[in-house]
Amino acid sequence: AQSVAQPEDQVNVAEGNPLTVKCTYSVSGNPYLFWYVQYPNRGLQFLLKYITGDNLVKGSYGFEAEFNKSQTSFHLKKPSALVSDSALYFCAVRVGILTGGGNKLTFGTGTQLKVEL
Amino acid sequence: EPEVTQTPSHQVTQMGQEVILRCVPISNHLYFYWYRQILGQKVEFLVSFYNNEISEKSEIFDDQFSVERPDGSNFTLKIRSTKLEDSAMYFCASRGGQGANEQFFGPGTRLTVL
Repeated sequence: AQSVAQPEDQVNVAEGNPLTVKCTYSVSGNPYLFWYVQYPNRGLQFLLKYITGDNLVKGSYGFEAEFNKSQTSFHLKKPSALVSDSALYFCAVRVGILTGGGNKLTFGTGTQLKVEL
Repeated sequence: EPEVTQTPSHQVTQMGQEVILRCVPISNHLYFYWYRQILGQKVEFLVSFYNNEISEKSEIFDDQFSVERPDGSNFTLKIRSTKLEDSAMYFCASRGGQGANEQFFGPGTRLTVL
């Protein structure tokens, strides 16, 4: 079984400050990790992924995430937050073995990011 | 930039009625998925589809649900007899070939069962 935990329902930061949205995961085997963002009344937009290689991965809109195997974490970060970053952020995991057409994503409960002036 | 599209954006139906939610995945993608998100809850996997057959399904995806790829472009989710608890946002997603890892999601269909 695979699972994702996002311990914070909401994160508030001031514009210009660094932000971190936390994610921990549990999976049997190598994890493939993803971050998605959801704006109001919109679908999920892919931000970044970790598959293998460097633990620090960079994605869209200046976001990055750090994979930490020992802590089973994949926290989302951005050095300087913008008001326009305010949205709902989802961490997701799947087992990193490509078997047939499966490879479902398991999502966390989401973290609402609010960036204020 | 290619994207996944879904129709309708909002569907209202009476309990017990059949609904069909439609999706057009990204062209040349091979793997297709349906997820749902009940209001205020997390996104849940329903079913994955590859090579014209279901490759995996969740416990939610019972006999009332079915999926089909009737032609080379559409991917549909049918709910035969809707229940109140089927009210949710339904997302379609697609993924490229074997080496592609990320799934691309459509904007969703909000299903309201009265």
